[in-house]
Amino acid sequence: DAGVTQSPTHLIKTRGQQVTLRCSPKSGHDTVSWYQQALGQGPQFIFQYYEEEERQRGNFPDRFSGHQFPNYSSELNVNALLLGDSALYLCASSKDRGYEQYFGPGTRLTVT
Amino acid sequence: AQSVTQPDIHITVSEGASLELRCNYSYGATPYLFWYVQSPGQGLQLLLKYFSGDTLVQGIKGFEAEFKRSQSSFNLRKPSVHWSDAAEYFCAVDFGNEKLTFGTGTRLTIIP
Repeated sequence: DAGVTQSPTHLIKTRGQQVTLRCSPKSGHDTVSWYQQALGQGPQFIFQYYEEEERQRGNFPDRFSGHQFPNYSSELNVNALLLGDSALYLCASSKDRGYEQYFGPGTRLTVT
Repeated sequence: AQSVTQPDIHITVSEGASLELRCNYSYGATPYLFWYVQSPGQGLQLLLKYFSGDTLVQGIKGFEAEFKRSQSSFNLRKPSVHWSDAAEYFCAVDFGNEKLTFGTGTRLTIIP
């Protein structure tokens, strides 16, 4: 049973560029949440997708957007990258918007 | 405001010694409580969770946690730590809104 997978593992971008991160949920899960973890900090909630819609959002600007596909996989897009966007981006999946979330290994984004 | 506090940034214990990591949260009602572990450069692994019922919950890798409503606490314990337990530990809380609020983490170092 495959767990949550994310791609790519690492990414280096320049300020002002745009980036897309991808996530495939655990088998049987239909809800995907994205978190940003800055160095030395706990993860911060970005947004959650369920039934291909953004269900709720944390305190992140509109530069952060996402999408969920019919197969429940999800993308996180960040436009106009800033140095402060450098972080580990974690995807978590759950079932029926349930409370038990399983995390992927993350994508390490470095903005230079 | 909803918040999670892990007062210990870094804890060092000897291998074989007991461990207790502290977690407190702010809220009125009983939330859903979780402990996750993160090894360097890795995603988060769920150690255990509390939704309701028995306030002492057992998790993986020999960990347990106790929910104390009167103290708004959910402390993680292990009777005897192993060198492989060295990692970052995060307490997370779902305040009934299907997203996780994390503490800032406790880094655990094990000395031989």
